Amino acid sequence: GAVVSQHPSWVICKSGTSVKIECRSLDFQATTMFWYRQFPKQSLMLMATSNEGSKATYEQGVEKDKFLINHASLTLSTLTVTSAHPEDSSFYICSARLRSGGSYNEQFFGPGTRLTVL
Amino acid sequence: QKEVEQNSGPLSVPEGAIASLNCTYSDRGSQSFFWYRQYSGKSPELIMSIYSNGDKEDGRFTAQLNKASQYVSLLIRDSQPSDSATYLCAVNRGGGFKTIFGAGTRLFVKA
Repeated sequence: GAVVSQHPSWVICKSGTSVKIECRSLDFQATTMFWYRQFPKQSLMLMATSNEGSKATYEQGVEKDKFLINHASLTLSTLTVTSAHPEDSSFYICSARLRSGGSYNEQFFGPGTRLTVL
Repeated sequence: QKEVEQNSGPLSVPEGAIASLNCTYSDRGSQSFFWYRQYSGKSPELIMSIYSNGDKEDGRFTAQLNKASQYVSLLIRDSQPSDSATYLCAVNRGGGFKTIFGAGTRLFVKA
């Protein structure tokens, strides 16, 4: 149980194009999903928290107009990198929270999407 | 002071030894504690969750929690080369708050 999928697993695009990444919770409903970015040999960096049916909450320094997040259903969140540039090349990872409140809050990660912008 | 602190390592142990990974956190209101394993180029994988003081064992893994000292650790018994990875400590105070991740400790298990 608690499987999270991500699509695509890797993408190469030209500078200036937009890229959409999908994150799905396959066997549970996730009211909250998270988007992270990780550069080589660096820590996970939380970009935004996505709640179903409401606007995403972005971390300080993350441009919400550049990284568009939509969480339209309890099993799907999408991240769109708009007008991608080479500096956006990174490993993007989503995660879904199993249950909020109380003493749970386990997060399960998708396999990640490696984005390369040429 | 970082909210969740881990020694970055690398921690190197011989095969078959016990690897001990440590983590401290600053928020006394924290209720949930997690250990994730991340192989190079892969996403993190949840390996242990612990919510109350004491030890919790799962196979070769033992998580230890001491809320008074704001300290959580992970012991890996009979370490294997396949255990070589970065281990992330994560902490959550519940109530919908976001989970805070440490920067991770790199573990190398030498064959």
